Amino acid sequence: EAGVAQSPRYKIIEKRQSVAFWCNPISGHATLYWYQQILGQGPKLLIQFQNNGVVDDSQLPKDRFSAERLKGVDSTLKIQPAKLEDSAVYLCASSYSISGGGTDTQYFGPGTRLTVL
Amino acid sequence: RKEVEQDPGPFNVPEGATVAFNCTYSNSASQSFFWYRQDCRKEPKLLMSVYSSGNEDGRFTAQLNRASQYISLLIRDSKLSDSATYLCAVPNQAGTALIFGKGTTLSVSS
Repeated sequence: EAGVAQSPRYKIIEKRQSVAFWCNPISGHATLYWYQQILGQGPKLLIQFQNNGVVDDSQLPKDRFSAERLKGVDSTLKIQPAKLEDSAVYLCASSYSISGGGTDTQYFGPGTRLTVL
Repeated sequence: RKEVEQDPGPFNVPEGATVAFNCTYSNSASQSFFWYRQDCRKEPKLLMSVYSSGNEDGRFTAQLNRASQYISLLIRDSKLSDSATYLCAVPNQAGTALIFGKGTTLSVSS
């Protein structure tokens, strides 16, 4: 079974530039998550989709971050404009169930390592 | 109390040692708990789920103490390959997503 795919794996940009990340979840997984993991910290949830609807985006800095999951499969996360503090690994995860992301096993992709200069 | 708090570490142990990490949580209604393993510059991978009092898988044992609101991860007979960061995760108040701790780093040396 193919895992969660993410691209690009690495990205270096200057502050105030824009960047986009792509995620393809495991086939059949209804729930998709974007996490931000800053060095030395645990993953922090940015946004959670169930199919193509947003379940939780309370920690998404909406003035600069946006995400979409068209057709309930692939997802993109965009940052515009980027700040120095956005340097982190952006992890995408998916889980099978739509009943609750708090009980279902989440499978993570390899992440995109973003460096903002 | 923070939503999820872990022993800060790092833990440096010799091969063959037994080591235990603790994770405290604030949501007393939580019914499920998870330990993830994260290797350096890799993604987190599920190590163990805990839904009742505990769970055991080979050298790894997770125990839940609901009264004191903590879960522990015990690793027996540590191997060099156990060196990693161990993340504790607990559902949020709504039960819709997981909250991760900062992780505890384990280094096993020969």
